[in-house]
Amino acid sequence: QKEVEQNSGPLSVPEGAIASLNCTYSDRGSQSFFWYRQYSGKSPELIMSIYSNGDKEDGRFTAQLNKASQYVSLLIRDSQPSDSATYLCAVKGRDDKIIFGKGTRLHILP
Amino acid sequence: NAGVTQTPKFQVLKTGQSMTLQCAQDMNHNSMYWYRQDPGMGLRLIYYSASEGTTDKGEVPNGYNVSRLNKREFSLRLESAAPSQTSVYFCASSEISGGPLNTGELFFGEGSRLTVL
Repeated sequence: QKEVEQNSGPLSVPEGAIASLNCTYSDRGSQSFFWYRQYSGKSPELIMSIYSNGDKEDGRFTAQLNKASQYVSLLIRDSQPSDSATYLCAVKGRDDKIIFGKGTRLHILP
Repeated sequence: NAGVTQTPKFQVLKTGQSMTLQCAQDMNHNSMYWYRQDPGMGLRLIYYSASEGTTDKGEVPNGYNVSRLNKREFSLRLESAAPSQTSVYFCASSEISGGPLNTGELFFGEGSRLTVL
């Protein structure tokens, strides 16, 4: 069974600081990696995708991928109260199935 | 743009009853997915369809059946509902199926909240 692991949190970060979210996956054949944000009672929304080793930056968000270590992370700089949500790591395998981790609850402290 | 539309949004069933959750997308996507979300469990894949006429089991398929009626529609059926199937169900679709350039971004419906008594 393919697995995607995340620390469930909650992760509490002061406003303005950097939030660091981590994810590991078991399937070495995985091709695409995603971070979704989900507010309570809402659908998940994509915030970052990454396909090759290294860093990818988009505004305050940076995704990092290390396929050798089977590790993907998300950094949120200058954290805002509106960043308080559950962050879901998702991995797409060679079979096109997209598997999610259990999510990390992030709480930004004003 | 409607995107991904799920019906119904809320449903209460008694144990043993059957029902079908409907999902339709208007983005011409090949791939469609059904997930369930329980508290603290993230999203778990129930079934996946790579294209019209094809379906494949996900992580938690037991107790469910699916139909990919055409490219737009992907339905999820509970033949004999159980309290363990109380959950929020999400349908999603993604662009381009297969190949190394598949981005895989999922577009979600608003969810269907199902309670089985």
